Amino acid sequence: EVQLVQSGAEVKKPGESLKISCKGSGYSFTSYWIGWVRQMPGKGLEWMGIIYPGDSDTRYSPSFQGQVTISADKSISTAYLQWSSLKASDTAMYYCARPPTVTTPWDAFDIWGQGTMVTVSS
Amino acid sequence: DIQMTQSPSSLSASVGDRVTITCRASQGISNSLAWYQQKPGKAPKLLLYAASRLESGVPSRFSGSGSGTDYTLTISSLQPEDFATYYCQQYYSTPPFTFGPGTKVDIK
Repeated sequence: EVQLVQSGAEVKKPGESLKISCKGSGYSFTSYWIGWVRQMPGKGLEWMGIIYPGDSDTRYSPSFQGQVTISADKSISTAYLQWSSLKASDTAMYYCARPPTVTTPWDAFDIWGQGTMVTVSS
Repeated sequence: DIQMTQSPSSLSASVGDRVTITCRASQGISNSLAWYQQKPGKAPKLLLYAASRLESGVPSRFSGSGSGTDYTLTISSLQPEDFATYYCQQYYSTPPFTFGPGTKVDIK
């Protein structure tokens, strides 16, 4: 079964760093792009960025460029989303997701992780 | 970046109703459009891609159409399990592959 399993909920203080993960299984991890999507409480979906684990080619939304870092470790089939200094406004649910088409990001997301809730509060 | 709008932002409907949601892109997206359904506390679920292609396992009461900048999602006969929020997403040209703001469908 193809699936993406994300790390658990996090509660952090402003200024702290954080790295959340998304582990792929049931498919060739290096052949499919993985994207990250933010959903702030009660709000809509925001496309953050996408990475190709095969060569770590990464594309960011201008809204998130410089605010987060997307990476991947293909040896353990895991993608990451990280912050160096969290803000209260980073409080949100974060989803990883994968398109169905090998090697291309130009597609919808058909496989989604269960989401990781990040709460940033002093 | 390509901007996406959806209308209406919310609607109330009854079981059995025909429901139509519209999505508009700020430029032509050549049918590179997906529709998702999201229920509270759950990850989004892909319903349609390439504007009109039904994802495997999705009921045939869901359909999509459109071209250029304007696209629609139609639910031919609304079922109790269809009450949810629906998002469109474009994946044309260069990232970001933006989502629409969503349309909440609730019970009249």
